Amino acid sequence: GGIITQTPKFLIGQEGQKLTLKCQQNFNHDTMYWYRQDSGKGLRLIYYSITENDLQKGDLSEGYDASREKKSSFSLTVTSAQKNEMAVFLCASRDWGYEQYFGPGTRLTVL
Amino acid sequence: GDSVTQTEGPVTVSESESLIINCTYSATSIAYPNLFWYVRYPGEGLQLLLKVITAGQKGSSRGFEATYNKETTSFHLQKASVQESDSAVYYCALGPATSSGQKLVFGQGTILKVYL
Repeated sequence: GGIITQTPKFLIGQEGQKLTLKCQQNFNHDTMYWYRQDSGKGLRLIYYSITENDLQKGDLSEGYDASREKKSSFSLTVTSAQKNEMAVFLCASRDWGYEQYFGPGTRLTVL
Repeated sequence: GDSVTQTEGPVTVSESESLIINCTYSATSIAYPNLFWYVRYPGEGLQLLLKVITAGQKGSSRGFEATYNKETTSFHLQKASVQESDSAVYYCALGPATSSGQKLVFGQGTILKVYL
């Protein structure tokens, strides 16, 4: 079986700071995703990528950049962290049967 | 846009009782969506519980069942007899029935607490 790893597990930043989250998968899946989850809310799509070097904006892409330089990795950058922001960022990859496999998440806190 | 609405939690149930978590969807941009239930157990990552890609069909896993009802746009999750180990957060989701992208739209999640 495969696994999705996300680093770091916890990320604490300052207002205005640029922050990068990383995701690696060894499923050899083509499509990868970044979601944001706020407390008590469902997951919202930020970016996804259907292949290496491809990027597609989701519903919440403003304020974020993404990069897919390798098939196995997908990184997300918060371009300017917002004060008091708190959320969990989830990375996922998709198999041919439409199932998405999720990583454990990165919890962001902005002071 | 597309949306998913599910039972507001937390839902608290005694072990061995029956359970239903409601899920209704609106798929304005997707003619025949695929429907999913995901679950996050304490301390674990989000994982697929079951999926149904054809209207009228039922999916089942770990004693849970959900039927894809196109007429009522619903995909309720049911279990006849819950166990304490079923305590988790459950998410209903929909996605397009195409291979491209396959973005998922999630409901807000329902916390389930099962007590002995």
